[in-house]
Amino acid sequence: DAGVTQSPTHLIKTRGQQVTLRCSPISGHKSVSWYQQVLGQGPQFIFQYYEKEERGRGNFPDRFSARQFPNYSSELNVNALLLGDSALYLCASSFRDSYYEQYFGPGTRLTVT
Amino acid sequence: QQQVKQSPQSLIVQKGGISIINCAYENTAFDYFPWYQQFPGKGPALLIAIRPDVSEKKEGRFTISFNKSAKQFSLHIMDSQPGDSATYFCAADNAGGTSYGKLTFGQGTILTVHP
Repeated sequence: DAGVTQSPTHLIKTRGQQVTLRCSPISGHKSVSWYQQVLGQGPQFIFQYYEKEERGRGNFPDRFSARQFPNYSSELNVNALLLGDSALYLCASSFRDSYYEQYFGPGTRLTVT
Repeated sequence: QQQVKQSPQSLIVQKGGISIINCAYENTAFDYFPWYQQFPGKGPALLIAIRPDVSEKKEGRFTISFNKSAKQFSLHIMDSQPGDSATYFCAADNAGGTSYGKLTFGQGTILTVHP
């Protein structure tokens, strides 16, 4: 079975621009979570979606938004990009929203200049 | 309250040795403790996980030890190999609470295994 896939792999944007990152979960997984990993640190939770509903939100500004589609894929949107948004954005999927392992995709490397 | 503290920041071990990474948490509501392995340019890969109803879990060369009273857990890698060289993250989750599968990660340990 294919793992979690994310696109694009790399992205370079300018301050103030907007970006959309995409994630396809493992087949059969209905929960998708997004994490931000700044270089040299552990991932930080941004959002979790289960059955197309937002079930959790981390300590991130409203510039960050996400949604989940009927096929359980997900998009993360970031508006008004700041230099500090430069990071690896990770998507993880799990079978249920709790008590089940989360499996991560390869991530999207976002660089804001 | 939600922090997970991981040590050491970096670890150098000889091939065949034992690698030990420790984590401590504060939130007693955490009830799921996974370890992830991450290679440069890749996403974290789930290695092994434990729940607080057991004190130890072993899978191959990897063992988690869990001390509920001390709020600490550790990863032991037996017979460490150069291919184990990676960054290791501990994490914790309050899966039964309101955080709905929100992993809180430690700061990471860079493991280097010399041949």
